[in-house]
Amino acid sequence: QVQLQESGPGLVKPSETLSLTCTVSGGSISSYYWSWIRQPPGKGLEWIGYIYYSGSTNYNPSLKSRVTISVDTSKKQFSLKLSSVTAADTAVYYCAREVTLIRGVIMENWFDPWGQGTLVTVSS
Amino acid sequence: DIQLTQSPSFLSASVGDRVTITCRASQGISSYLAWYQQKPGKAPKLLIYAASTLQSGVPSRFSGSGSGTEFTLTISSLQPEDFATYYCQQFNTYPRTFGPGTKVDIK
Repeated sequence: QVQLQESGPGLVKPSETLSLTCTVSGGSISSYYWSWIRQPPGKGLEWIGYIYYSGSTNYNPSLKSRVTISVDTSKKQFSLKLSSVTAADTAVYYCAREVTLIRGVIMENWFDPWGQGTLVTVSS
Repeated sequence: DIQLTQSPSFLSASVGDRVTITCRASQGISSYLAWYQQKPGKAPKLLIYAASTLQSGVPSRFSGSGSGTEFTLTISSLQPEDFATYYCQQFNTYPRTFGPGTKVDIK
């Protein structure tokens, strides 16, 4: 089955750029939307944005000015860059696949699978 | 953005109890809602999508219902492995948004 694995630095300095990569294994990267989602320690979940395998993107307006998501289909990887980070960006970052199933006129969506998550701490 | 609220935010229950969690959306989202279970230090796990469809492999004691703005997740008989935090999430529009979570603890 499809598995996702996040990788990247666990510590980033304030004002710098956070960079993470998610590697897809056990299945195709094509025909799906691939998202980044984060969770500050002890808090809830926030969707950051997605990239379609073709390269189209959609970002959360709350982060749009600082976020870039890219994809490398040959490596079956997609990546997140978040610029000008502050302590408020400290969180566990998850990558996840959004599945869309169309049954007649009904569309069904869900996030599955998720990566295990990686903690990124913003600190000097 | 569509805001999701969950109630209660915390509940204490015993093994064997029937548990119901409510998720309300700030505007109608048809049936574009999923439920996830998260245990400490783990990624969220999909339980239900399209408001009421049980994900493959998820025990049948979990069920979901609702449409429009009000949804419920029910655990018919709480098991020890069900103590966790539960999140609802909407797929009606972007940005995708999650509810704040309901923590289910042992009484």
